[in-house]
Amino acid sequence: EAGVVQSPRYKIIEKKQPVAFWCNPISGHNTLYWYLQNLGQGPELLIRYENEEAVDDSQLPKDRFSAERLKGVDSTLKIQPAELGDSAVYLCASSPGTQGRETQYFGPGTRLLVL
Amino acid sequence: AQKVTQAQTEISVVEKEDVTLDCVYETRDTTYYLFWYKQPPSGELVFLIRRNSFDEQNEISGRYSWNFQKSTSSFNFTITASQVVDSAVYFCALSEAQAAGNKLTFGGGTRVLVKP
Repeated sequence: EAGVVQSPRYKIIEKKQPVAFWCNPISGHNTLYWYLQNLGQGPELLIRYENEEAVDDSQLPKDRFSAERLKGVDSTLKIQPAELGDSAVYLCASSPGTQGRETQYFGPGTRLLVL
Repeated sequence: AQKVTQAQTEISVVEKEDVTLDCVYETRDTTYYLFWYKQPPSGELVFLIRRNSFDEQNEISGRYSWNFQKSTSSFNFTITASQVVDSAVYFCALSEAQAAGNKLTFGGGTRVLVKP
């Protein structure tokens, strides 16, 4: 069974430029998560989708970040415009459901460097 | 509010030594779930184990073992006879049954360096 797929794996951009990350979850997983991982820290949730609905985006900086999951499968996370402080790893995860017992499975992440 | 603390930021051992990673958690929920993930240099978080709050039995999987003690709110992880491939950052995480949406709270991680 294929795991969570993310692309690109690495991205280098100049500040004020836009950037987008793509995620394909494990087949059959209705719940999709985007996390931000700063250097030397654990991941922090940005947004959670149940099917195509964003049900928890309280930690998403909405002035510059946006996300979508149009058909309830793939998802895109966008930053516009990027700032130096956005340099981090962006992780996507999926789980079958949203019960606390559900295990979240993570993709390899996209490492973003903003110059 | 839930919180996970991994006091050890980095541990360095020589191959074949045992290494124990500490994890202490805080929660007000009576039903909760604890996880360990491994993050090798490639960056992907690899799921290792899930334990629910009602199951305090220790678990062994190959060279990995976990010691869950509710009395001290700890869920420690031991690698026996460490190997170079065990070099990674290990994260402990917690989710509460009462919290909406399977919110995972991670500790800060412990970097393990196994030297040949």
